[in-house]
Amino acid sequence: DAGITQSPRHKVTETGTPVTLRCHQTENHRYMYWYRQDPGHGLRLIHYSYGVKDTDKGEVSDGYSVSRSKTEDFLLTLESATSSQTSVYFCATLPSGGGVETQYFGPGTRLLVL
Amino acid sequence: SQQGEEDPQALSIQEGENATMNCSYKTSINNLQWYRQNSGRGLVHLILIRSNEREKHSGRLRVTLDTSKKSSSLLITASRAADTASYFCATWGSSNTGKLIFGQGTTLQVKP
Repeated sequence: DAGITQSPRHKVTETGTPVTLRCHQTENHRYMYWYRQDPGHGLRLIHYSYGVKDTDKGEVSDGYSVSRSKTEDFLLTLESATSSQTSVYFCATLPSGGGVETQYFGPGTRLLVL
Repeated sequence: SQQGEEDPQALSIQEGENATMNCSYKTSINNLQWYRQNSGRGLVHLILIRSNEREKHSGRLRVTLDTSKKSSSLLITASRAADTASYFCATWGSSNTGKLIFGQGTTLQVKP
């Protein structure tokens, strides 16, 4: 898994509460990504980071924010969780964004919003 | 919307048979990649093919790329039960946006 961990691995929360998911990597990769995976939708990009404090939106960014204060950590925050954010969340990294690199994925976080 | 669309969505074959999955995409690309996901796990990279390549092999995997048709195929030969997984294509745009765009995936079941 290229030294990528996600925490927590499972979480149950209630609608309206804030939730923060953490991705930690030990590979010193420059790029980090947050995806959500839902049946029938495949993997959809939420946000990504191309360096410390440098982030950009993906295709499904509404309701999510991210922060990256250190190379190794990329946090995903659900400001006020909704049932539609029940999903499996994957973090991924990319060494330098050169285009011919491959992504490395974390094990995923299962989030249930009641 | 998704850049890559895979076909079929699900495929069930017997062990020893070949499995073919197709991927279509919309915009010009730098490269196309295939990933595998075992149930409950993260995705794992299988193979990358550049836009100037037409075919690539890796063990029992064969990938083709037709940039004129904006399509790719993944062939797994002599399939095994352990090949049971979901397979995703992902494209890296030629404009180097820093993003891989994934398709919806093909779920492959290989029956022993």
